[in-house]
Amino acid sequence: KNQVEQSPQSLIILEGKNCTLQCNYTVSPFSNLRWYKQDTGRGPVSLTIMTFSENTKSNGRYTATLDADTKQSSLHITASQLSDSASYICVVRSNYGGATNKLIFGTGTLLAVQP
Amino acid sequence: DTEVTQTPKHLVMGMTNKKSLKCEQHMGHRAMYWYKQKAKKPPELMFVYSYEKLSINESVPSRFSPECPNSSLLNLHLHALQPEDSALYLCASSLQAGGRTGELFFGEGSRLTVL
Repeated sequence: KNQVEQSPQSLIILEGKNCTLQCNYTVSPFSNLRWYKQDTGRGPVSLTIMTFSENTKSNGRYTATLDADTKQSSLHITASQLSDSASYICVVRSNYGGATNKLIFGTGTLLAVQP
Repeated sequence: DTEVTQTPKHLVMGMTNKKSLKCEQHMGHRAMYWYKQKAKKPPELMFVYSYEKLSINESVPSRFSPECPNSSLLNLHLHALQPEDSALYLCASSLQAGGRTGELFFGEGSRLTVL
């Protein structure tokens, strides 16, 4: 069964600290993996996309990694800011082709950055 | 700022009412989506339109009726809803439904409360 699991479910860190969020998936065939940030009551916004051949990709203070062998991805946030408080969702696209390409959403990690 | 616009942002309706949610994008995207999101849960796919044709209906009850009048607009007609239908309804678009990278651009959502 195609599944995306994220850990931890929630996380509280102090402003300025680093943190790492985890995503494990069992989706097959794999096409790509995206990390989305969702502020409370808003729509998700894409942070980064990882394809099969990519190991690491950075977007400002966000760095995503992908290990396609172990089917794991991580999102590292450096020097956290209060505005990083949000839900972070890992979304994996399966590669069936055509309009039936499926997106499998993880359950998200709720990050709270405290001053 | 999101380029997918959803109206209204908030909607309160009774179980006998008929209302509609609207979504608009002007990015030239040919795929549009409706998602339902309950609190602390990931978005759940409801419908996908590809080139203005309904391509995916995830077994959504008939009290939800989607409509795609043209490539820029997507509506969700609501009738005889139940209190458990209260949720954040997210509209999204992508360049194509079956694209390889397929980034979804989400609107800010319509918060629906059914009394």
